[in-house]
Amino acid sequence: DGGITQSPKYLFRKEGQNVTLSCEQNLNHDAMYWYRQDPGQGLRLIYYSQIVNDFQKGDIAEGYSVSREKKESFPLTVTSAQKNPTAFYLCASSARDRAYEQYFGPGTRLTVT
Amino acid sequence: AQSVTQLGSHVSVSEGALVLLRCNYSSSVPPYLFWYVQYPNQGLQLLLKYTSAATLVKGINGFEAEFKKSETSFHLTKPSAHMSDAAEYFCAVRPALREKLTFGTGTRLTIIP
Repeated sequence: DGGITQSPKYLFRKEGQNVTLSCEQNLNHDAMYWYRQDPGQGLRLIYYSQIVNDFQKGDIAEGYSVSREKKESFPLTVTSAQKNPTAFYLCASSARDRAYEQYFGPGTRLTVT
Repeated sequence: AQSVTQLGSHVSVSEGALVLLRCNYSSSVPPYLFWYVQYPNQGLQLLLKYTSAATLVKGINGFEAEFKKSETSFHLTKPSAHMSDAAEYFCAVRPALREKLTFGTGTRLTIIP
C-alpha cells in the first residue's frame, strides 16, 4: 500500500534537546511538506521541498531544520532554539500534477518538558 | 496573499440533520480549493477538491461543496449527518500554479444523537 509514514506516533523530550521526526513516503511524490498543528490555529507550514536536495522555509521555520537527501524521506529536526516545540506535527506530500492535492501522514505528537 | 476563513470553530447538528460548514477564501488568482477531515490524533484526509471544472463538487462520505465565485465561498454540506461524521474539518486554498496550501483554522463538528 502506498502512503506516508511518520514515526514515532508520540515523542517526549526534555527542554534543550534536539529531536528529529521521521517522514517517509512511497507515493513517488516530488514535493513534501511539514506542518505544525496547535489547537485553534489550523495548520502552519514549517518547511517544504519540491525536489531532492532543495527546500524552502515556510511561515514558521525558526527553530526547525530539514534535509531532503532522498525523494522518499524528509526528516524534520526540532532544535533547542524552538521556543514552544510541544505540538502535533504533520508531514504531507504531493505529486506535481494539476491539482497538487496533498496527502498526509498520521502525525507525530511531540511533548517537550 | 491568499487566506481562508472558516466561520464557526464549533458546529453541532443532530443526527440526520443537514451539515453546513462555511468557508470563504480570498485569492488574487483563480484558486484550487480543498476540504479535509481530521479524526482525533490522526492526519488529514482529503474529502473533496475544486479544480476549476464543475462548480458543484462531490466528495467521499456523502459530502459535497459548491464553488461560488461571486461570494468567494466554498461551503461544505451533507444532507444527513451521521455519528461517524464527528471530526474536525479544514478548508484550504491554493492559488493556481503555486505549491503552498493555506489552511483555515478548522471547524469541529459534533453530532448530537
